[in-house]
Amino acid sequence: DTEVTQTPKHLVMGMTNKKSLKCEQHMGHRAMYWYKQKAKKPPELMFVYSYEKLSINESVPSRFSPECPNSSLLNLHLHALQPEDSALYLCASSQNLPGTGADEQYFGPGTRLTVT
Amino acid sequence: GENVEQHPSTLSVQEGDSAVIKCTYSDSASNYFPWYKQELGKRPQLIIDIRSNVGEKKDQRIAVTLNKTAKHFSLHITETQPEDSAVYFCAASAGRGSTLGRLYFGRGTQLTVWP
Repeated sequence: DTEVTQTPKHLVMGMTNKKSLKCEQHMGHRAMYWYKQKAKKPPELMFVYSYEKLSINESVPSRFSPECPNSSLLNLHLHALQPEDSALYLCASSQNLPGTGADEQYFGPGTRLTVT
Repeated sequence: GENVEQHPSTLSVQEGDSAVIKCTYSDSASNYFPWYKQELGKRPQLIIDIRSNVGEKKDQRIAVTLNKTAKHFSLHITETQPEDSAVYFCAASAGRGSTLGRLYFGRGTQLTVWP
């Protein structure tokens, strides 16, 4: 199974709401990523988890809060977002075996987020 | 950090023609270079990748070449078909230390294949 799944597919939320995005993979990958993508732009890295530990935070505002409950799951908790946070949020995973170089990242289908 | 430049930003070709997209990178430590295809409203899909110990890799109509000395790599699509129409992103990664294999993306190329 080479699939990364994400829920929900679409989300509309107000600026005072709290919501969560979910990502799941069952490929045994030990690195998981959150990206934000605006239309016609490349994905922008937000967070990286390696072996369930937060390893990279690309100076993301605190209204985005990641969580990795176990090696297969990755969540992104959203609170008090701004309209400019509307985007496609992509999750990805890769093997990240110790001592090896970079390896293939596989993306989920994304959550289309609209903040009103 | 790494800087990846991608050209052209748009490319239109006739069905059956070849398409070439070029990328340059700045960090000589980068050793992994994937290409992603993203159709409208869909996820980026890995279509081919190359590592720095190889100069060329081919998969049916798609090939990637890498010139480490010049720090550039290219995607070649032959016998293009309308379903090849999409945005293509190149990326580079050093896959070491604190970078943890993070990908540095180019800005993308919108490829349109006309029937």
